[in-house]
Amino acid sequence: LAKTTQPISMDSYEGQEVNITCSHNNIATNDYITWYQQFPSQGPRFIIQGYKTKVTNEVASLFIPADRKSSTLSLPRVSLSDTAVYYCLVGLYNFNKFYFGSGTKLNVKP
Amino acid sequence: DGGITQSPKYLFRKEGQNVTLSCEQNLNHDAMYWYRQDPGQGLRLIYYSQIVNDFQKGDIAEGYSVSREKKESFPLTVTSAQKNPTAFYLCASSISSGRWADTQYFGPGTRLTVL
Repeated sequence: LAKTTQPISMDSYEGQEVNITCSHNNIATNDYITWYQQFPSQGPRFIIQGYKTKVTNEVASLFIPADRKSSTLSLPRVSLSDTAVYYCLVGLYNFNKFYFGSGTKLNVKP
Repeated sequence: DGGITQSPKYLFRKEGQNVTLSCEQNLNHDAMYWYRQDPGQGLRLIYYSQIVNDFQKGDIAEGYSVSREKKESFPLTVTSAQKNPTAFYLCASSISSGRWADTQYFGPGTRLTVL
């Protein structure tokens, strides 16, 4: 499983766009990139998944460059309720090593 | 309502006792997972099951045991052999048994404290 590297924490203000970048230099050809969101004392929640270029849904966008060695989760116009930990995962079939990492703690300020 | 339930929400255990955490899903998912989360840390995989009557060890299986006798149930037993069991335990499920990248749906978690 490709290991990922994310910033430990980020601060933002309400209404701003937030971009969280994840590095995954060892990504394999078949690997997908998946992002989860976790609030304190709750289970993580799926946000978005992609393979290449750009994916957008109702809550976020995911940008993946051509070499796929990194990806950027973009949260438009964040609110206080977006304060959470965001995890980047890379993989597809390899059950042998799961790696959620420590994620990025996003703190949205008023 | 479809989803994953875990019980109890909080659990206290004396040292040397075994304890079983419940996980039930009515999503008709094939795959189920158990994770452990320590304060300020990410999730670590304890066990996973891709199909009934089969399960595999994850990264930190020592001191834990599981069973998968029914599709909807995947209980986790924390044994006395687990040296530091105090943690937040999360159960998850996904539709496919072959792709871990399939969306995992998580339960609300059980916070276990060893006294």
